Amino acid sequence: KNEVEQSPQNLTAQEGEFITINCSYSVGISALHWLQQHPGGGIVSLFMLSSGKKKHGRLIATINIQEKHSSLHITASHPRDSAVYICAVKYSGGGADGLTFGKGTHLIIQP
Amino acid sequence: SQTIHQWPATLVQPVGSPLSLECTVEGTSNPNLYWYRQAAGRGLQLLFYSVGIGQISSEVPQNLSASRPQDRQFILSSKKLLLSDSGFYLCAWIGHSYGYTFGSGTRLTVV
Repeated sequence: KNEVEQSPQNLTAQEGEFITINCSYSVGISALHWLQQHPGGGIVSLFMLSSGKKKHGRLIATINIQEKHSSLHITASHPRDSAVYICAVKYSGGGADGLTFGKGTHLIIQP
Repeated sequence: SQTIHQWPATLVQPVGSPLSLECTVEGTSNPNLYWYRQAAGRGLQLLFYSVGIGQISSEVPQNLSASRPQDRQFILSSKKLLLSDSGFYLCAWIGHSYGYTFGSGTRLTVV
C-alpha cells in the first residue's frame, strides 16, 4: 500500500525558532500538498508542489522528486502557527481518486 | 471564486439513527468531489469520490453511502450509524489544476 510518512509526529518549539517538518512517500506522485489543520478541524491548503520550491510569507515548501521527500519550513515561528500540518500526495497513475494523507505533525509554538 | 459549503458543523447522533451530511460547491461546474473521514488519532481517509452526477466510487467498504444528485451537491449518508462512524468528515473538491479546496468539516459523535 502506498503510504505517506511524516516526521516528527509532535513538535514543540519556542517562538522565533526555525521549524522543519518532513514528509516521505513511496512511489511516483503527480502532486504533493501541504495542509494546515486548525484546532477546530478546518483544513487550509498551504502549498501544492510537483517540483522545486515554493514560498508564501514565512512558509517554504520544498520537494525532491528523486528522493521522494518534501519539507515544510516555517521561519520566525509564532504561536499562531500552532496547528497540525499534514502532507498529502496524489499518486501517479491517473484516475479521479483523491489524496493519500500523512498522519500529521502536531506543532506547538510557545511564546 | 470557488467556495465549498459543508453542514452541519457538529452532530451528535445515537447509534442506529440515520445520517445525512451535505456538501455544495459554488463557482465551478463538473467538479471532482470527495468525502474524507478523520478518525481520532488517525490520518484522513478517502471514503467516496464522484466525477459527475450519479457517479460514485467507494474506497472503503463500510456502513456509509454517498450520492450526487446535482452537479455541485455531494451527500454522505447512513441508514444506521455505528459507534465506529464517529469522526471528522470533510468534503473536498479538486480544480483542473489539482488544487484542492476543503469544506469546514463535520464533527460527528455517535453515542
